[in-house]
Amino acid sequence: KAGVTQTPRYLIKTRGQQVTLSCSPISGHRSVSWYQQTPGQGLQFLFEYFSETQRNKGNFPGRFSGRQFSNSRSEMNVSTLELGDSALYLCASSLAAGTSYNEQFFGPGTRLTVL
Amino acid sequence: DQQVKQNSPSLSVQEGRISILNCDYTNSMFDYFLWYKKYPAEGPTFLISISSIKDKNEDGRFTVFLNKSAKHLSLHIVPSQPGDSAVYFCAARSNTGFQKLVFGTGTRLLVSP
Repeated sequence: KAGVTQTPRYLIKTRGQQVTLSCSPISGHRSVSWYQQTPGQGLQFLFEYFSETQRNKGNFPGRFSGRQFSNSRSEMNVSTLELGDSALYLCASSLAAGTSYNEQFFGPGTRLTVL
Repeated sequence: DQQVKQNSPSLSVQEGRISILNCDYTNSMFDYFLWYKKYPAEGPTFLISISSIKDKNEDGRFTVFLNKSAKHLSLHIVPSQPGDSAVYFCAARSNTGFQKLVFGTGTRLLVSP
């Protein structure tokens, strides 16, 4: 069974640009969550999508957005990039059919560098 | 507001000894706790978890202890092996948060031969 895949793996952008990251969950998984990892901050929750609906959101500015498609693939977008957006962006998928917790499987991440 | 804290950024242990990683939390709504292990250039991988109704969970060399009154959990690795060298993240889930996990800042464990 293929794991969670994220594309691209590495990305370099300049301030003011926008970026789109992609995540393909494990087959059959309907929940996709996104996290930002920066040095000293651990992993910070961005948002969770389930069946194409955002059902939870972290404390990030509106420049960060996402969506989920009918095949459960998800994209996140960051507009007007700032230097502080440089981070590893991780995607995690799970079955998550109900409200109880289901194990999340993480992808390898996309390393975004903003110059 | 750091709801999950790992106060030790790093820990060095000799092979064969016990590694103890600690984690404190502040949110009483957390009902599920997890430990993840992360190698460079890879995503975190699940290690072990514990529900708030239990105080101990064991899986092979890994044991997690939960002290709800102190809002503290710990991960014990016995015996430690060089392959255990990685960054360990403690994470917690609120019973109202669906799949959202709140992570600590991580502890880098180095196990030397």
